[in-house]
Amino acid sequence: QVQLVQSGAEVKKPGASVKVSCKTSGYTFTRYYMHWVRQAPGQGLEWMGIINPSSGSTSSAQKLQGRVTMTRDTSTSTVYMELSSLRSEDTAVYYCARDQEYWGQGTLVTVSS
Amino acid sequence: EIVLTQSPATLSLSPGERATLSCRASQTVNSYLAWYQQKPGQAPRLLIYDASNRATGIPARFSGSGSGTDFTLTISSLEPEDFAVYYCQHRSTFTFGPGTRVDIK
Repeated sequence: QVQLVQSGAEVKKPGASVKVSCKTSGYTFTRYYMHWVRQAPGQGLEWMGIINPSSGSTSSAQKLQGRVTMTRDTSTSTVYMELSSLRSEDTAVYYCARDQEYWGQGTLVTVSS
Repeated sequence: EIVLTQSPATLSLSPGERATLSCRASQTVNSYLAWYQQKPGQAPRLLIYDASNRATGIPARFSGSGSGTDFTLTISSLEPEDFAVYYCQHRSTFTFGPGTRVDIK
């Protein structure tokens, strides 16, 4: 069965970077795009970006361009999302989602001084 | 930039009642619209894609309709587990609407 398992919660200081992983199993990794979506506490869903695991090509939301980097490791069927220059407003649960049908469990990233 | 508006913001209904949720796009999105359900502490769940197609395992009481700029998610008879927040999303730009909360009256 399709599984997406994300890395654990993180606490970061403003200005730092965070890298969240999403390890996949149960399907052919390179055949499906992977999205990243985040949700600030008590707020709605915000699409962050998408990666093509086959080619590695990415596209991200305009407001995050320059701060978000998505990569993949085909040898371990894992995708990564790195967000830099963290601000308090980046405090959120971060999700990976395969074709937005299968979702990871979410990773809480807290940005606090 | 496509903006999605959902109404109402909150819908208070009783189990067994019919729920009708609206999503309006600022410009045409053809049929590239999806609906998600999210319960507290859980990841979203895809319900409907391409405006009217139920995702795998989604009960028949959930149905989607519409095209162009106006879309509707209908829950024909609310079950206790259906009380949640519902989001629409444009599947080309991946923009989400702000959500509609369906709570128990």
